[in-house]
Parts: sequence; structure tokens; C-alpha cells
Amino acid sequence: SQTIHQWPATLVQPVGSPLSLECTVEGTSNPNLYWYRQAAGRGLQLLFYSVGIGQISSEVPQNLSASRPQDRQFILSSKKLLLSDSGFYLCAWMARVDTEAFFGQGTRLTVV
Amino acid sequence: AQSVTQLDSQVPVFEEAPVELRCNYSSSVSVYLFWYVQYPNQGLQLLLKYLSGSTLVKGINGFEAEFNKSQTSFHLRKPSVHISDTAEYFCAVSGGFQKLVFGTGTRLLVSP
Repeated sequence: SQTIHQWPATLVQPVGSPLSLECTVEGTSNPNLYWYRQAAGRGLQLLFYSVGIGQISSEVPQNLSASRPQDRQFILSSKKLLLSDSGFYLCAWMARVDTEAFFGQGTRLTVV
Repeated sequence: AQSVTQLDSQVPVFEEAPVELRCNYSSSVSVYLFWYVQYPNQGLQLLLKYLSGSTLVKGINGFEAEFNKSQTSFHLRKPSVHISDTAEYFCAVSGGFQKLVFGTGTRLLVSP
């Protein structure tokens, strides 16, 4: 069966420090991968998505970047965190756009 | 571009009453439509989806939704809600651009 792993679950980072959140999927090949940020009143904001290795589409210009170095690995990064980067980050995968999306457990990021 | 609008941020309702959660979408291509539910402190779970065919879609837990192309809507309904239906509900759209875009969510509050 397919599973999705996202870590860490919680993270407290100082302003100006780098960030790396990792998401991996097991049990499927060539999935569509997505990074979201969930905030109260704003729902799930799509940050990045990828349909293949090295293919990244950015939805929201900001202080973050994403990479897909392997088929089932999706990484969310920042070189220098801002206070406004605090939030709950979710990784998700879909086999195709007409199938169900499966979500990781999320990472609660607090920038201090 | 694809977008989803959930006009109601919160819907209070009494137990055993009917409920409708509204969702409108915008897209320049054919879309697939989804409703997800997020119970407190849990991940997102698929309630139902519309791909094609019959415009009335039935999902889990007694929920159903109707696709209306002319009004670009996909409203979620349940004829009689339970306390356990208290959760946040997200409408989502995907399509030809491989994106999966969510609305801002509607918090359903069921009281006795």
C-alpha cells in the first residue's frame, strides 16, 4: 500500500536560519506531489507542486523553494526564514488529478 | 487559473437538521471536484468526488454533492447532521494543469 512520510512533526527555528522539510512517498511511481500551508481562515494554500523529477511549479512568490531530487521525494526549503513563514505545512500526493489526494501528518513550523 | 470559493467560513446547525455547504469554482479547463473533511487534530479525508457523469455524487457518512456546470458550483449537503459531523470541510478542484487547489474551508458546528 502507499504511504506518505513527512518530517519533522514540529520545528522551532530562529529568524534568518535555513529550512528543510522532507516528504517521501512509498508504494507508487511518478506521483504528483504538493506542498501546502494551512492557516486559520485561509484554508490550504498551494505553495508548490511537481509532476516529475526536477519539475517544480510555484504558486505563491515567497521566501520558500521546493525541489524534487528523486521520484518520490519532495523537499521544501528556505535559505533565511522570516517570522511570516510560521505555519502548518502539509505534503500531499496524487496518482493523477482525478484521484484522491493523500496527506502527510504535517509540520508545525514556528519561527522565533 | 483554477480557484475555489467557499463563502461560508462557519456554519452553525442543530443536530438532525439539514445542512448545505457552498462551493463555487473557477477554471478555464475541465475540472474534477472534491470535498474533503478534516476532523479536529486529524488529517484530511476524502468525502466524495465528481469526475464525470451523473451530477449528483454520493459520498461517505451520508453526504452528497451536486455539480452544476452553469453555476460553477459543487455544494455539499446532508439531510440530517450528527454531532460527530463537526469538522472543517474543504472543497477542492483539479484539472488539466495538474494542480490541486483548495478553498478556504467551512467549519461546520453541530450543536445538540
